[in-house]
Amino acid sequence: GAGVSQTPSNKVTEKGKYVELRCDPISGHTALYWYRQSLGQGPEFLIYFQGTGAADDSGLPNDRFFAVRPEGSVSTLKIQRTERGDSAVYLCASSLTVAGDPETQYFGPGTRLLVL
Amino acid sequence: AQTVTQSQPEMSVQEAETVTLSCTYDTSENNYYLFWYKQPPSRQMILVIRQEAYKQQNATENRFSVNFQKAAKSFSLKISDSQLGDTAMYFCAFMALSGSRLTFGEGTQLTVNP
Repeated sequence: GAGVSQTPSNKVTEKGKYVELRCDPISGHTALYWYRQSLGQGPEFLIYFQGTGAADDSGLPNDRFFAVRPEGSVSTLKIQRTERGDSAVYLCASSLTVAGDPETQYFGPGTRLLVL
Repeated sequence: AQTVTQSQPEMSVQEAETVTLSCTYDTSENNYYLFWYKQPPSRQMILVIRQEAYKQQNATENRFSVNFQKAAKSFSLKISDSQLGDTAMYFCAFMALSGSRLTFGEGTQLTVNP
């Protein structure tokens, strides 16, 4: 079956612009995660959705970052007034959660964002 | 808060040989999971192996096995019969049973030489 897909693969924007990054999780996966991976580092957690609601958004760095998942499937990460420091690979993952047993997270190929 | 440390930024191994990647972690949680993910140049993170902290038996997946030492908070990955396709960045990751986020280490770049 299809894995997690992310679009666009690469995004170049100018400082101050608004960007949207999209994630299509594996069909039937109820949990969706966003991570940010800066160059030479491991991914860092941003936000986690269970269904349509954000169950944990404590990793969002500031109020310029926002994510939605209106129908419990596709998610969009939105970044306002982009800054050069936002340049990174943004990874999305999904999992099929079972109560009391955290399931493996399956990752997409990421979106590489470059803010000039 | 949890931390994960990978003290080897780079490792290399000859094809068909065995290599061990190190990982240590710090947590106050008693119930958790540990993972090794592989990230090739394509950027896609691929699960290599997973260990439940309550299990004493070390996990194995074909050529990949772990040495899980709970008291020492150590979780190393052993790759046997290394193949050229194993060349990638390897990340150790922690997940508390009480939460859902993964906490990753800094990664180890493994190069398998022919």
